[in-house]
Amino acid sequence: DAGVIQSPRHEVTEMGQEVTLRCKPISGHNSLFWYRQTMMRGLELLIYFNNNVPIDDSGMPEDRFSAKMPNASFSTLKIQPSEPRDSAVYFCASTDRFLVSGANVLTFGAGSRLTVL
Amino acid sequence: DQQVKQNSPSLSVQEGRISILNCDYTNSMFDYFLWYKKYPAEGPTFLISISSIKDKNEDGRFTVFLNKSAKHLSLHIVPSQPGDSAVYFCAASYNNNDMRFGAGTRLTVKP
Repeated sequence: DAGVIQSPRHEVTEMGQEVTLRCKPISGHNSLFWYRQTMMRGLELLIYFNNNVPIDDSGMPEDRFSAKMPNASFSTLKIQPSEPRDSAVYFCASTDRFLVSGANVLTFGAGSRLTVL
Repeated sequence: DQQVKQNSPSLSVQEGRISILNCDYTNSMFDYFLWYKKYPAEGPTFLISISSIKDKNEDGRFTVFLNKSAKHLSLHIVPSQPGDSAVYFCAASYNNNDMRFGAGTRLTVKP
């Protein structure tokens, strides 16, 4: 398996533009998480899905942020309109939480570095 | 609301010595704790975990200790190697639901 695939790896955009980040989870994994990494707050959980259904989106900072998971192999995180304070690295992670017992180990993608000018 | 806290942003140790990374949490319902390691330009990777019913878990050079009464856990790396230089994240979950991470500690192991 190629692991969790995120695109784009780098995005530079201007304030006010729409940004769409994409994620392909590991095949067979039924939970997907979006995190944002900043220097101040480390890894913040934005939203997670179980079986394509959003379970907890309380970490989504504002209405400008939205996430979808139309099927088991694809998810998007959209920011519209983007602002300079949204600049961060955004990670997607997946896990087969319903298939294993014990600790819920996430597999992360390499991240999408977003810069909003 | 930071439920998982890593108060030391950085740590520097000499090769061969012990590295101790600390983590505190506030939610007594957490039942699993994990440590992840992150290299630059890569996503975090799983290192070691511990269930809340245990107080120690060891895997090679890595040992995690859990003190539930103090809501504190620590990761010991012995002996430390230059390749261990990375950012280490502490994480916790409840009932295998969402995973909460700390802010991370950057470990530098000097040759």
